[in-house]
Amino acid sequence: DTEVTQTPKHLVMGMTNKKSLKCEQHMGHRAMYWYKQKAKKPPELMFVYSYEKLSINESVPSRFSPECPNSSLLNLHLHALQPEDSALYLCASSQDQLAGGRPVIYEQYFGPGTRLTVT
Amino acid sequence: GQQVMQIPQYQHVQEGEDFTTYCNSSTTLSNIQWYKQRPGGHPVFLIQLVKSGEVKKQKRLTFQFGEAKKNSSLHITATQTTDVGTYFCAGPYLTGANNLFFGTGTRLTVIP
Repeated sequence: DTEVTQTPKHLVMGMTNKKSLKCEQHMGHRAMYWYKQKAKKPPELMFVYSYEKLSINESVPSRFSPECPNSSLLNLHLHALQPEDSALYLCASSQDQLAGGRPVIYEQYFGPGTRLTVT
Repeated sequence: GQQVMQIPQYQHVQEGEDFTTYCNSSTTLSNIQWYKQRPGGHPVFLIQLVKSGEVKKQKRLTFQFGEAKKNSSLHITATQTTDVGTYFCAGPYLTGANNLFFGTGTRLTVIP
């Protein structure tokens, strides 16, 4: 199974709402990622979890709160978002391994994304 | 900061014509990956290059990694309508970190 699943596929929320995006993989990957992608732009890294611990937070506003409950699940909690936060939110996973003390870069498997609209 | 630029930004080709996208990094990369994103889809991994000067082929696709490990290219021979999409190169975000910094992408349109 090389699939990463994301729910919901589409989400429309007001600026005062609280919602969560969910991501799941069963490939045994220990690195999971959240990306934000605006139209006609490349994915931008938001957060990286490695072995269920947050390893990278790319200066993302606190209205985005990630959570990694276990090695298969990744959540992104949303609160008080702004219209400019409307985008495609992509989850990805990859193997996470050290070789000679340095991380080995593996291919990332992306989920289909959640298209978020903030009104 | 690190920048990974791709040219061209857009390319329209007649079906059967060749296509090339170029990826240039402001820093030396330990490796480079290529992804394809179909319209309305998500990025899908194509290949990874690690060695200086490496060339890899996948059917009609040829990937190259520059000698200085700062640039790469993807060449498609005899494009087909199934090649439509945006092609991204991606390099390690930080030296020694297991994450990616995506290039600006090249959007390919194939005219039947």
